[in-house]
Amino acid sequence: NSKVIQTPRYLVKGQGQKAKMRCIPEKGHPVVFWYQQNKNNEFKFLINFQNQEVLQQIDMTEKRFSAECPSNSPCSLEIQSSEAGDSALYLCASSLSQGQNTLYFGAGTRLSVL
Amino acid sequence: AQSVTQPDARVTVSEGASLQLRCKYSYSGTPYLFWYVQYPRQGLQLLLKYYSGDPVVQGVNGFEAEFSKSNSSFHLRKASVHWSDSAVYFCVLSSTGFASALTFGSGTKVIPCLP
Repeated sequence: NSKVIQTPRYLVKGQGQKAKMRCIPEKGHPVVFWYQQNKNNEFKFLINFQNQEVLQQIDMTEKRFSAECPSNSPCSLEIQSSEAGDSALYLCASSLSQGQNTLYFGAGTRLSVL
Repeated sequence: AQSVTQPDARVTVSEGASLQLRCKYSYSGTPYLFWYVQYPRQGLQLLLKYYSGDPVVQGVNGFEAEFSKSNSSFHLRKASVHWSDSAVYFCVLSSTGFASALTFGSGTKVIPCLP
């Protein structure tokens, strides 16, 4: 069973509302990733961190999405103004290092934007 | 560019029968390959991975996969399917370097049925 903890499991928002989800990575894993899985099982990389620093992020993340991984607090991903197209399963994953390609995933937060 | 193709969207298999899930990849370099499983309402769980060496890798729950460079394939197998294997299975490719370069296949849903 995954030791990556994501909350909440389900999130329902109206268009234009903020949506925030959290992730506690596996203990000892300094690298955290956020992926978006849509209903067609297409995965999109959003952003990743090493400790508190952003390593990479895609353009979508830079505009409406914000994310952080503060020390001694859960990581978070927030959508400032939700759109219908943001409805998806948001997966957090952690890893031992950037070059360590094995990711350990949480159960995800399923966002529905009405 | 890299890609992963899982040609079977759904596979129905009798309980106790053998299972093979196909995965073909396209990548010019040395691939890191993974199989992940996603049970209903859960995240992805790692079944097995291949980096180098023996082309047959053993995973959890009786799964194994065979890497073939000549065929650009990484097929997943299980000798005897159980009802609890009902899930979606993803073949994943990584180039060397950042894990943000992961490429996911479209997934194969396994549906065990009574023999």
